[in-house]
Amino acid sequence: GAVVSQHPSWVICKSGTSVKIECRSLDFQATTMFWYRQFPKQSLMLMATSNEGSKATYEQGVEKDKFLINHASLTLSTLTVTSAHPEDSSFYICSAQPHYEQYFGPGTRLTVT
Amino acid sequence: AQSVTQLGSHVSVSEGALVLLRCNYSSSVPPYLFWYVQYPNQGLQLLLKYTSAATLVKGINGFEAEFKKSETSFHLTKPSAHMSDAAEYFCAVIPVTGGGNKLTFGTGTQLKVEL
Repeated sequence: GAVVSQHPSWVICKSGTSVKIECRSLDFQATTMFWYRQFPKQSLMLMATSNEGSKATYEQGVEKDKFLINHASLTLSTLTVTSAHPEDSSFYICSAQPHYEQYFGPGTRLTVT
Repeated sequence: AQSVTQLGSHVSVSEGALVLLRCNYSSSVPPYLFWYVQYPNQGLQLLLKYTSAATLVKGINGFEAEFKKSETSFHLTKPSAHMSDAAEYFCAVIPVTGGGNKLTFGTGTQLKVEL
């Protein structure tokens, strides 16, 4: 149980385009989902907290207009990287929280060329 | 603010040896504590958690951790390392009160297992 999926697992896009990443809780409902970014050899950096039916709460320093988050249902949250640039290249991980513990997706490797 | 310290960014052990990965938290009120493992290019997998029940917590893959309030620690151990244990390990906390549900992660410890 407690499986979280992410799609796609990796994506390459050209600079200036937008990319959407999906995060789904497959066997449970999650009112709260989180989006993280991880640079090589580093810990996870929380980008935003996504609550079903309401606007996401972004961490300080994260551009909300660049990283659009939508939590349309209790099992789906999406992160759209708008007008992507090479510096947005990273490993993006989502998690879903049914109670107090978080279950993580497998991550999405984004490369912007 | 809550913080988590993982001593040792890299730990190397021989196969079959004891694994000890250290984690200390900073709050005066014990938080919920978690250990996660991350294999290359993958997400995080929950190894075990402490939620104010038993102080010795057993997790998956033979790992366990002991919560010690007097030392504000939650060190992760495994009696006998296996090659498949080589990975990045993260300690994380959620405050019991006042912090929402956000995880605060330590900086991680890379475990290397040698033959």
